[in-house]
Amino acid sequence: ETGVTQTPRHLVMGMTNKKSLKCEQHLGHNAMYWYKQSAKKPLELMFVYSLEERVENNSVPSRFSPECPNSSHLFLHLHTLQPEDSALYLCASSQGQRGGRRETQYFGPGTRLLVL
Amino acid sequence: AQSVSQHNHHVILSEAASLELGCNYSYGGTVNLFWYVQYPGQHLQLLLKYFSGDPLVKGIKGFEAEFIKSKFSFNLRKPSVQWSDTAEYFCALTTDSWGKLQFGAGTQVVVTP
Repeated sequence: ETGVTQTPRHLVMGMTNKKSLKCEQHLGHNAMYWYKQSAKKPLELMFVYSLEERVENNSVPSRFSPECPNSSHLFLHLHTLQPEDSALYLCASSQGQRGGRRETQYFGPGTRLLVL
Repeated sequence: AQSVSQHNHHVILSEAASLELGCNYSYGGTVNLFWYVQYPGQHLQLLLKYFSGDPLVKGIKGFEAEFIKSKFSFNLRKPSVQWSDTAEYFCALTTDSWGKLQFGAGTQVVVTP
Protein backbone atom coordinates (compact mmCIF):
# COMPACT_ATOMS: atom_id res chain seq x y z
CA GLU A 1 0.00 0.00 0.00
CA THR A 2 1.65 3.21 -1.16
CA GLY A 3 -0.95 5.73 -0.02
CA VAL A 4 -2.26 6.15 -3.56
CA THR A 5 -5.57 4.50 -4.35
CA GLN A 6 -7.32 4.14 -7.67
CA THR A 7 -10.88 3.19 -8.52
CA PRO A 8 -12.15 1.26 -10.25
CA ARG A 9 -9.47 -1.41 -10.53
CA HIS A 10 -11.05 -2.83 -13.67
CA LEU A 11 -13.29 -1.16 -16.24
CA VAL A 12 -14.88 -2.38 -19.43
CA MET A 13 -16.53 0.22 -21.61
CA GLY A 14 -17.93 0.63 -25.07
CA MET A 15 -16.66 3.23 -27.48
CA THR A 16 -19.69 5.45 -26.93
CA ASN A 17 -19.58 5.38 -23.13
CA LYS A 18 -18.43 8.07 -20.75
CA LYS A 19 -16.60 6.96 -17.66
CA SER A 20 -14.18 8.39 -15.13
CA LEU A 21 -11.14 7.05 -13.34
CA LYS A 22 -10.43 8.28 -9.85
CA CYS A 23 -7.17 8.62 -7.98
CA GLU A 24 -6.71 9.68 -4.38
CA GLN A 25 -3.48 10.20 -2.51
CA HIS A 26 -3.15 10.21 1.26
CA LEU A 27 0.48 11.35 1.40
CA GLY A 28 0.09 15.11 1.55
CA HIS A 29 1.70 15.49 -1.85
CA ASN A 30 1.01 18.41 -4.17
CA ALA A 31 1.77 16.92 -7.58
CA MET A 32 -0.17 14.18 -9.32
CA TYR A 33 0.37 12.31 -12.56
CA TRP A 34 -1.47 10.07 -15.01
CA TYR A 35 0.50 7.42 -16.88
CA LYS A 36 -0.57 4.90 -19.50
CA GLN A 37 0.94 1.41 -19.56
CA SER A 38 0.19 -0.44 -22.78
CA ALA A 39 1.33 -3.90 -23.68
CA LYS A 40 4.82 -3.91 -25.19
CA LYS A 41 5.26 -0.14 -24.84
CA PRO A 42 7.06 1.90 -22.19
CA LEU A 43 5.06 3.66 -19.55
CA GLU A 44 3.91 6.95 -21.03
CA LEU A 45 3.28 10.13 -19.11
CA MET A 46 -0.10 11.65 -19.94
CA PHE A 47 -0.71 14.56 -17.59
CA VAL A 48 0.98 16.33 -14.70
CA TYR A 49 -0.76 18.50 -12.14
CA SER A 50 1.12 20.60 -9.63
CA LEU A 51 -0.82 22.49 -7.00
CA GLU A 52 -3.97 21.66 -8.95
CA GLU A 53 -2.66 23.35 -12.08
CA ARG A 54 -2.01 21.28 -15.17
CA VAL A 55 1.62 21.72 -16.09
CA GLU A 56 1.91 19.05 -18.74
CA ASN A 57 -0.32 17.59 -21.39
CA ASN A 58 1.81 15.13 -23.25
CA SER A 59 0.01 15.28 -26.61
CA VAL A 60 -2.87 13.26 -25.27
CA PRO A 61 -6.06 13.07 -27.40
CA SER A 62 -8.96 15.17 -26.22
CA ARG A 63 -11.05 12.06 -25.53
CA PHE A 64 -9.02 11.95 -22.29
CA SER A 65 -9.87 14.84 -19.99
CA PRO A 66 -8.14 15.21 -16.62
CA GLU A 67 -9.49 17.04 -13.61
CA CYS A 68 -7.74 17.90 -10.37
CA PRO A 69 -10.21 19.50 -7.95
CA ASN A 70 -7.73 19.54 -5.07
CA SER A 71 -4.27 18.25 -4.27
CA SER A 72 -5.56 14.91 -3.03
CA HIS A 73 -7.79 13.93 -5.94
CA LEU A 74 -7.22 13.40 -9.62
CA PHE A 75 -9.72 12.23 -12.20
CA LEU A 76 -9.42 11.05 -15.76
CA HIS A 77 -12.65 11.48 -17.70
CA LEU A 78 -13.02 9.16 -20.65
CA HIS A 79 -15.26 9.79 -23.65
CA THR A 80 -15.62 7.98 -26.98
CA LEU A 81 -12.50 5.93 -26.51
CA GLN A 82 -11.00 3.60 -29.08
CA PRO A 83 -10.00 -0.05 -28.62
CA GLU A 84 -6.34 0.97 -28.78
CA ASP A 85 -6.89 2.97 -25.59
CA SER A 86 -7.17 -0.31 -23.69
CA ALA A 87 -4.33 -0.25 -21.18
CA LEU A 88 -3.41 0.03 -17.52
CA TYR A 89 -3.80 3.61 -16.34
CA LEU A 90 -1.56 4.50 -13.44
CA CYS A 91 -1.79 7.44 -11.11
CA ALA A 92 1.18 8.73 -9.15
CA SER A 93 1.87 11.50 -6.70
CA SER A 94 4.92 13.28 -5.38
CA GLN A 95 5.93 16.26 -3.34
CA GLY A 96 6.44 18.16 -6.54
CA GLN A 97 7.61 21.71 -6.99
CA ARG A 98 9.66 23.66 -9.48
CA GLY A 99 13.04 22.09 -9.15
CA GLY A 100 11.35 19.04 -7.73
CA ARG A 101 12.67 16.58 -10.21
CA ARG A 102 14.30 14.74 -7.36
CA GLU A 103 11.11 13.77 -5.64
CA THR A 104 10.09 10.15 -5.69
CA GLN A 105 6.77 9.35 -7.28
CA TYR A 106 4.46 6.92 -5.53
CA PHE A 107 2.19 4.89 -7.74
CA GLY A 108 -1.29 3.54 -7.31
CA PRO A 109 -2.29 0.01 -8.35
CA GLY A 110 -3.78 1.17 -11.64
CA THR A 111 -7.07 0.80 -13.46
CA ARG A 112 -7.16 -1.91 -16.09
CA LEU A 113 -9.29 -0.51 -18.91
CA LEU A 114 -10.75 -2.51 -21.77
CA VAL A 115 -12.49 -0.65 -24.57
CA LEU A 116 -14.77 -2.78 -26.73
CA ALA B 1 14.59 14.60 -26.35
CA GLN B 2 15.77 12.19 -23.73
CA SER B 3 15.26 8.44 -23.90
CA VAL B 4 15.84 5.38 -21.77
CA SER B 5 16.92 2.04 -23.16
CA GLN B 6 16.83 -1.27 -21.32
CA HIS B 7 18.91 -3.95 -22.95
CA ASN B 8 16.99 -7.07 -22.10
CA HIS B 9 13.27 -7.59 -22.37
CA HIS B 10 13.25 -10.98 -20.65
CA VAL B 11 15.70 -12.59 -18.27
CA ILE B 12 15.37 -16.07 -16.78
CA LEU B 13 17.74 -17.24 -14.09
CA SER B 14 17.96 -19.63 -11.18
CA GLU B 15 17.84 -18.80 -7.51
CA ALA B 16 21.19 -17.69 -6.09
CA ALA B 17 22.39 -16.52 -9.50
CA SER B 18 23.61 -12.96 -9.90
CA LEU B 19 21.50 -10.45 -11.74
CA GLU B 20 22.54 -7.44 -13.77
CA LEU B 21 20.07 -5.39 -15.80
CA GLY B 22 21.34 -2.80 -18.19
CA CYS B 23 19.97 0.71 -18.55
CA ASN B 24 21.30 3.44 -20.81
CA TYR B 25 19.94 6.88 -21.35
CA SER B 26 20.44 9.65 -23.81
CA TYR B 27 20.50 13.18 -22.42
CA GLY B 28 23.31 15.66 -22.27
CA GLY B 29 22.38 17.44 -19.06
CA THR B 30 21.75 16.60 -15.45
CA VAL B 31 19.56 13.59 -14.83
CA ASN B 32 18.02 11.86 -11.88
CA LEU B 33 17.79 8.11 -12.28
CA PHE B 34 15.46 5.52 -10.81
CA TRP B 35 14.78 1.83 -10.82
CA TYR B 36 11.19 0.80 -10.18
CA VAL B 37 9.90 -2.74 -9.76
CA GLN B 38 6.46 -4.19 -10.38
CA TYR B 39 5.82 -7.54 -8.72
CA PRO B 40 3.03 -9.68 -10.18
CA GLY B 41 -0.31 -8.14 -9.31
CA GLN B 42 1.24 -5.27 -7.38
CA HIS B 43 1.83 -1.60 -7.99
CA LEU B 44 5.03 0.00 -9.19
CA GLN B 45 7.39 0.69 -6.33
CA LEU B 46 10.76 2.36 -6.04
CA LEU B 47 13.83 0.15 -5.71
CA LEU B 48 16.46 2.88 -5.61
CA LYS B 49 17.34 6.28 -7.00
CA TYR B 50 20.37 8.36 -7.87
CA PHE B 51 20.42 12.13 -7.58
CA SER B 52 24.06 13.04 -6.95
CA GLY B 53 27.09 12.02 -4.91
CA ASP B 54 28.26 8.43 -4.60
CA PRO B 55 27.54 6.77 -7.96
CA LEU B 56 26.96 3.42 -6.27
CA VAL B 57 23.45 3.47 -4.87
CA LYS B 58 21.98 0.87 -2.57
CA GLY B 59 18.28 0.18 -2.54
CA ILE B 60 15.80 -2.13 -0.94
CA LYS B 61 15.92 -5.94 -0.99
CA GLY B 62 19.65 -6.11 -1.63
CA PHE B 63 19.62 -4.29 -4.95
CA GLU B 64 22.22 -1.74 -5.98
CA ALA B 65 22.90 0.32 -9.07
CA GLU B 66 25.92 2.14 -10.39
CA PHE B 67 25.75 5.42 -12.27
CA ILE B 68 28.52 5.69 -14.86
CA LYS B 69 28.24 9.14 -16.35
CA SER B 70 30.74 8.54 -19.13
CA LYS B 71 28.72 5.58 -20.34
CA PHE B 72 25.30 7.14 -19.73
CA SER B 73 24.44 3.99 -17.82
CA PHE B 74 22.67 3.06 -14.62
CA ASN B 75 22.81 -0.71 -14.35
CA LEU B 76 20.96 -2.61 -11.65
CA ARG B 77 22.59 -5.51 -9.80
CA LYS B 78 21.84 -8.09 -7.18
CA PRO B 79 24.49 -10.66 -6.17
CA SER B 80 22.07 -13.50 -5.39
CA VAL B 81 18.46 -13.49 -6.51
CA GLN B 82 15.52 -15.18 -4.88
CA TRP B 83 12.33 -16.56 -6.35
CA SER B 84 10.53 -13.53 -4.87
CA ASP B 85 12.54 -11.24 -7.17
CA THR B 86 10.41 -12.38 -10.09
CA ALA B 87 9.00 -9.11 -11.38
CA GLU B 88 9.23 -6.50 -14.08
CA TYR B 89 11.96 -3.91 -13.60
CA PHE B 90 11.83 -0.41 -15.04
CA CYS B 91 14.60 2.12 -15.39
CA ALA B 92 13.48 5.75 -15.46
CA LEU B 93 14.84 9.27 -15.42
CA THR B 94 13.73 12.82 -14.85
CA THR B 95 15.38 15.88 -16.32
CA ASP B 96 13.01 18.75 -15.70
CA SER B 97 11.52 20.77 -12.92
CA TRP B 98 8.27 18.87 -12.68
CA GLY B 99 9.79 15.47 -12.12
CA LYS B 100 8.21 13.90 -15.16
CA LEU B 101 9.43 10.34 -15.34
CA GLN B 102 10.59 8.86 -18.63
CA PHE B 103 10.57 5.08 -18.46
CA GLY B 104 12.41 2.35 -20.30
CA ALA B 105 10.45 -0.52 -21.82
CA GLY B 106 11.02 -2.74 -18.80
CA THR B 107 12.73 -6.08 -18.24
CA GLN B 108 10.71 -9.10 -17.18
CA VAL B 109 12.78 -11.17 -14.76
CA VAL B 110 11.79 -14.73 -13.91
CA VAL B 111 13.66 -16.52 -11.14
CA THR B 112 13.24 -20.28 -11.10
CA PRO B 113 13.51 -22.28 -7.86
